[in-house]
Amino acid sequence: AQSVTQLDSQVPVFEEAPVELRCNYSSSVSVYLFWYVQYPNQGLQLLLKYLSGSTLVESINGFEAEFNKSQTSFHLRKPSVHISDTAEYFCAVSDRVGKLIFGQGTELSVKP
Amino acid sequence: DAGVIQSPRHEVTEMGQEVTLRCKPISGHDYLFWYRQTMMRGLELLIYFNNNVPIDDSGMPEDRFSAKMPNASFSTLKIQPSEPRDSAVYFCASSLGLAVYNEQFFGPGTRLTVL
Repeated sequence: AQSVTQLDSQVPVFEEAPVELRCNYSSSVSVYLFWYVQYPNQGLQLLLKYLSGSTLVESINGFEAEFNKSQTSFHLRKPSVHISDTAEYFCAVSDRVGKLIFGQGTELSVKP
Repeated sequence: DAGVIQSPRHEVTEMGQEVTLRCKPISGHDYLFWYRQTMMRGLELLIYFNNNVPIDDSGMPEDRFSAKMPNASFSTLKIQPSEPRDSAVYFCASSLGLAVYNEQFFGPGTRLTVL
């Protein structure tokens, strides 16, 4: 069975500081990994995904995540955060069929 | 396209009452998903449809929950009777296909409070 563990429920950081949101997964089959973002009072939006190929994937707003098979991790990073990055971030895993299994979420709070 | 539309955005009801949540998927999307988000259990898939047919309802918590999709542009999730533990945010999502290459687009959610 597949599962996802997000190691931090809350991550407070100051604006312009770097941030890492941790995600570990468990899967016995081919794995596909996703990060979704949920801004306050909104639905989830796809931030980035790893399906195959390069293990480093990037989003349009400066986030990146690296698929590490040996450590079964898919941590999300950003070198310099903005106030507007304040949101909840969900890591998810899927098999080829496409059903998503979500982690518990990490609340990123960016302070001025 | 306006995206996935859910109504109502907020619902407050009393225990024992029937609750109906509504969803309009993105036009042309063949798959529709219902999720529930709670503090305790996180985000869980309840059921999904393909071309209006329920494919997997293994996540539906119990018989009090039912979901229908009478046509390609409308789905409902009904709870009867409702209980306080059903309080959660319910999301609807749609996608072109189920394969991992097809992004799921989420609606804004319905926040349900059962008193």
